Order: sequence, then C-alpha cells, then structure tokens
Amino acid sequence: SAVISQKPSRDICQRGTSLTIQCQVDSQVTMMFWYRQQPGQSLTLIATANQGSEATYESGFVIDKFPISRPNLTFSTLTVSNMSPEDSSIYLCSVEAGVTEAFFGQGTRLTVV
Amino acid sequence: EDKVVQSPLSLVVHEGDTVTLNCSYEVTNFRSLLWYKQEKKAPTFLFMLTSSGIEKKSGRLSSILDKKELFSILNITATQTGDSAVYLCAVEADRGSTLGRLYFGRGTQLTVWP
Repeated sequence: SAVISQKPSRDICQRGTSLTIQCQVDSQVTMMFWYRQQPGQSLTLIATANQGSEATYESGFVIDKFPISRPNLTFSTLTVSNMSPEDSSIYLCSVEAGVTEAFFGQGTRLTVV
Repeated sequence: EDKVVQSPLSLVVHEGDTVTLNCSYEVTNFRSLLWYKQEKKAPTFLFMLTSSGIEKKSGRLSSILDKKELFSILNITATQTGDSAVYLCAVEADRGSTLGRLYFGRGTQLTVWP
C-alpha cells in the first residue's frame, strides 16, 4: 500500500493570497488525483495529475485557479490561487484509484478569512 | 449526469445497535464501488465491491452490492463509539484509461453514543 504525506495539515489564509499544498508518495505512481471537500459536501475531483504532462481538470475547475505541478512520479503540488472564503475546504490528494483502493493523503484543511 | 446518493445523511445510535447505511448510484461505465471511513480528514478504505451478491466482511462490518438495482449497503453490527465517523460511498467509473475516476456520495455521519 502507498503512504502519502500531505502538507500543510491546515492553514488559515488571507483572501487574495495563494497556498500551495504538497503531496509526497513513498512509491512511484502514474496518476495522482486532487479532491476538494467543501463543508458537508462530498469529495469532488479537481484534476488528475500525470507526470510529464499537463493536468486534466474536471468541469468547473480551471488551471489559473488551481495550478498543479507533477515534476516526478512521487510528488505533486496543488496551488489554490487568489483565495476567497468560498475556497475554505478540505483538500485531499490520492493515488491509484481502482485496482484495489484509492489511498489518500492526510488532507489539508484550508480556512480563508 | 453521474451521481452517488447516500442515505441517511446522519444517524445517531447507541452502542451495541446495528446500523445499515445505503448507497445508490447512477454511473455509466461502472467498474467498482468502494466504501470509506472518514474520521477527520483522510478517508480510509473499507471495502471494494465489483460483483453482485457477494458479501465482503471485515469484523463487525460487512457490505454487499446489487448491480441490477444499483445500490450497496454497509452494515455495522454491535456498534462502538469508535465507529463514529462519516462513511463515504464512492463509485469508480471507467474513463477509457487503465485507471477509473471516483464519484463520491455526500456521506453518512454516524454517531454512536455510549
């Protein structure tokens, strides 16, 4: 099973600023996924990050707002740009959905004030 | 539009009770259904179901899938306070690649009182 280290665990940010969330996996994985979970809501897929190519964004999410990097097979970052209070959520990275299970990072609880 | 619906949204029981959590889905290109337990932030895996009628069991937890009626149930017997969590249902759909994407329900918030 994969072990995923995600940081920061939580942050409180001022509106208009940006936050970069990091996700480090202890093994090489082809695809990494970034999710958002707004209060009381389900996990919503933001984008799929492939190594060596641009991320694939889901409907309603754009690269300018959520730029993603995937420099190698064990690491990815998600940036939440120009934040507003509506961006207050839990952000989760995960790897390898489907073969047996999806492994999740510990999550980042973001509060925008 | 694909969707996964869980019910009830919240449930409060006493220790020792048995609970049944429901998950119905409408997802094209279904591959599997997964159950997760979310206590703080990160969901932890419970079960993956791919075939109808085959019960998966782990201790006091069990789950079964009905692909004809498009639903799954998660049963927890002899509940304990440590079972208090949000239980998430997710359906994996094939996007034409080797790895599917997950569609999550809103979850069932289970609270077990001592």
